[in-house]
Amino acid sequence: SYELTQPPSVSVSPGQTARITCSADALTKQYGYWYQQKPGQAPVLVIFQDSERPSGIPERFSGFSSGTTVTLTISGVQAEDEADYYCQSADSSGTVVFGGGTKLTVL
Amino acid sequence: QVQLVQSGAEVKKPGSSVKVSCKASGGTFSSFAFSWVRQAPGQGLEWMGGIIPVFDTTNYAQKFQGRVTVTADESTSTAYMELSSLKSEDTAVYYCARGVITVARGVQWFDPWGQGTLVTVSS
Repeated sequence: SYELTQPPSVSVSPGQTARITCSADALTKQYGYWYQQKPGQAPVLVIFQDSERPSGIPERFSGFSSGTTVTLTISGVQAEDEADYYCQSADSSGTVVFGGGTKLTVL
Repeated sequence: QVQLVQSGAEVKKPGSSVKVSCKASGGTFSSFAFSWVRQAPGQGLEWMGGIIPVFDTTNYAQKFQGRVTVTADESTSTAYMELSSLKSEDTAVYYCARGVITVARGVQWFDPWGQGTLVTVSS
């Protein structure tokens, strides 16, 4: 098995750009996915297949993959973006792994 | 719009079992996978396992092998997760999530998620 490594926390001021990384050797061969979770709520998918945005997710959310790292970028951060963000990947055998999560604080 | 509605909170004794249900509405049940993910208090997300109803195949995280059973009833569009030999460390919110299946890579991402079911294990 493998682990997905995320920074525990990221802080940005409103209007700035937040970048959250997720790293693992497996990501060179597998897609990365991102979920937003606000306190007391279920996770919500915000990025799939490294860089695709589901319908209903604001355009300020974007994703990028390079080598062993996938990155979630939130441009023009708003107060409502304060949440925990989790990356996730899956191999072809169906084994799913989540990163440890990153707490995004909007200062 | 697909919606997943889970059964209510449970309080269980150590050593007992719990079975949580997840009813899907508004979409095609058999075309997707259903996975279970848990979150202990203040902790991150942990994948437990899942099922692809159309193939009746299951896949479990090694940590839960032998202790978790995921099933599905296509007639009622409901997925179930049963966890046995409960310990206090199993106290968590348990989520079901619909998994998207791709031809080349199998189950990949999860959308949407159920509202979560709190399972408390206490003597």
